[in-house]
Amino acid sequence: AQTVTQSQPEMSVQEAETVTLSCTYDTSESDYYLFWYKQPPSRQMILVIRQEAYKQQNATENRFSVNFQKAAKSFSLKISDSQLGDAAMYFCAYRSALNYGGSQGNLIFGKGTKLSVKP
Amino acid sequence: GAVVSQHPSRVICKSGTSVKIECRSLDFQATTMFWYRQFPKQSLMLMATSNEGSKATYEQGVEKDKFLINHASLTLSTLTVTSAHPEDSSFYICSARAREYNSPLHFGNGTRLTVT
Repeated sequence: AQTVTQSQPEMSVQEAETVTLSCTYDTSESDYYLFWYKQPPSRQMILVIRQEAYKQQNATENRFSVNFQKAAKSFSLKISDSQLGDAAMYFCAYRSALNYGGSQGNLIFGKGTKLSVKP
Repeated sequence: GAVVSQHPSRVICKSGTSVKIECRSLDFQATTMFWYRQFPKQSLMLMATSNEGSKATYEQGVEKDKFLINHASLTLSTLTVTSAHPEDSSFYICSARAREYNSPLHFGNGTRLTVT
């Protein structure tokens, strides 16, 4: 079974600074997707960024970028020029790309990292 | 983009009563829907997966007779918490995808259930 580990329960960053959130995962599959979701106090799940495992190039979305190390099974999120609105819970998630063993394509989440942004 | 509507957003019920939560896909056919539960300051845990027209598949430890899931149409799945108890109080979130396996997952806004 796949697992996702986020080893940082809480992180703090100064406004305008850069912060990196860590995520590691375990899988025997070769094709999969990795995601970072943001969950603000409203509890809405917001997709931040997505990475296909077959792509070597790291995904970027404006101030958000990832460092995807497939061999190390590591998928960290870098937030540049942090803003007050970035404060939230961040979840790393895994999704099988193929219908392995009856998988329906659900997301497997890490435990989350609570990010605080200091003004 | 695709929208998933989840209703109600908040509900308070008394112990022993049943509560129904609806998850609707507004602009796509949701062949598969996932129901998650989230305790305070914890992650989302998959409860069950439902496919349109089929019985739901429940994760280990989730009581199927307590958490009834119906996915009778391609745009609606419901989760009914039967004979609710205070320990069922939680945040429930649905997500849905279209027929293609690698279709994006779209989340509802969640339902905060409080059982008194």
